[in-house]
Amino acid sequence: GAGVSQSPRYKVAKRGQDVALRCDPISGHVSLFWYQQALGQGPEFLTYFQNEAQLDKSGLPSDRFFAERPEGSVSTLKIQRTQQEDSAVYLCASSLVARTGGLNTEAFFGQGTRLTVV
Amino acid sequence: AQSVSQHNHHVILSEAASLELGCNYSYGGTVNLFWYVQYPGQHLQLLLKYFSGDPLVKGIKGFEAEFIKSKFSFNLRKPSVQWSDTAEYFCAVSSRPHGNNRLAFGKGNQVVVIP
Repeated sequence: GAGVSQSPRYKVAKRGQDVALRCDPISGHVSLFWYQQALGQGPEFLTYFQNEAQLDKSGLPSDRFFAERPEGSVSTLKIQRTQQEDSAVYLCASSLVARTGGLNTEAFFGQGTRLTVV
Repeated sequence: AQSVSQHNHHVILSEAASLELGCNYSYGGTVNLFWYVQYPGQHLQLLLKYFSGDPLVKGIKGFEAEFIKSKFSFNLRKPSVQWSDTAEYFCAVSSRPHGNNRLAFGKGNQVVVIP
């Protein structure tokens, strides 16, 4: 597709339920990021993949959060035993190259998945 | 750790007024700087970016930003806003020692332009 696609757009989960959020990056993009955006805040980094390798997961808030990108393309962010504080918009972004500071390192964002835990 | 500060979270102005949004960051090394815009119901889009060279950067839709290294600032400006500039604006920073392009965002500025 032309851009980063995320599904579902909206998800309501009962507290304690597991959820899985999907990201389809732009075809050929090496880097993939997940961000969490709480209401009234800017996006906060969660994790980073270079192809299928998860190189940075320092932003994941707890061990209930897990992300994978097994074939270096589609990625899934899974949240186990959801809690109310997990309510946020989860953004996925991809960029063409991995190295920092290059001309093609612009990150393209999807529209996000709005997760509401009730 | 990097941090990014944006002040005046809510800005209301009339069409044709000038807009300036402040952005300050805390990281002292080499940084890449960005402004993203999010129009209502849409995804984050890149307005402009600074990697190196001329500190005055021109972006899309008449926006520009100036990198002032001594002030750790990257303020966004537009001389004359339009109603269609109503959006949320985010300043973001990435630093090269991270080895990747993870972005640290400010809290954003909600800008409302009154026709």
